[in-house]
Amino acid sequence: QKEVEQDPGPLSVPEGAIVSLNCTYSNSAFQYFMWYRQYSRKGPELLMYTYSSGNKEDGRFTAQVDKSSKYISLFIRDSQPSDSATYLCAMSATGANSKLTFGKGITLSVRP
Amino acid sequence: EAEVAQSPRYKITEKSQAVAFWCDPISGHATLYWYRQILGQGPELLVQFQDESVVDDSQLPKDRFSAERLKGVDSTLKIQPAELGDSAMYLCASSLYGSDTQYFGPGTRLTVL
Repeated sequence: QKEVEQDPGPLSVPEGAIVSLNCTYSNSAFQYFMWYRQYSRKGPELLMYTYSSGNKEDGRFTAQVDKSSKYISLFIRDSQPSDSATYLCAMSATGANSKLTFGKGITLSVRP
Repeated sequence: EAEVAQSPRYKITEKSQAVAFWCDPISGHATLYWYRQILGQGPELLVQFQDESVVDDSQLPKDRFSAERLKGVDSTLKIQPAELGDSAMYLCASSLYGSDTQYFGPGTRLTVL
């Protein structure tokens, strides 16, 4: 079993839809949780970063962490065609300058 | 806006040949990471440097891969000899010392024929 499992894709939604992306993990040492967005033929870019359980909102994006269930989610409201990309969850145990463990990613397509 | 630079962006080689990738991190970033991303998978750490010292190379296939960061700034990742299974995107990332935010470069896409 991989340390980080991410819902398989691809996912296709109409513009304006609410999107829910999810990851589960098995390593209870993970304390820092991130979501990266990766456009085709580009490197990943950090989208959201959370430490504690609960919700964190940034514009149309909300990251949710449930450490008791070892489950994290990313919600995208009012999805736009420009949100079409691969979304990767990532986690680390010690935060600063530590190795990231990634999920395999899910490719999202938002149809105009 | 400062970015991580990588070259080449694309590399096609034949198996058993040697290849090298270069990374220039964001200025002032002491920590540098090399990740490998196989198509359809998330990136996996190959090696991590703190300045010029290797912090973690536990997942680096040392029989064929080598990495160096001689002056603690830019870095080179080498594969010799390349194998078919090495076809992947090689990503470089950097971060400030004490920071948990890693900034990724555009990657080098390697195809081994």
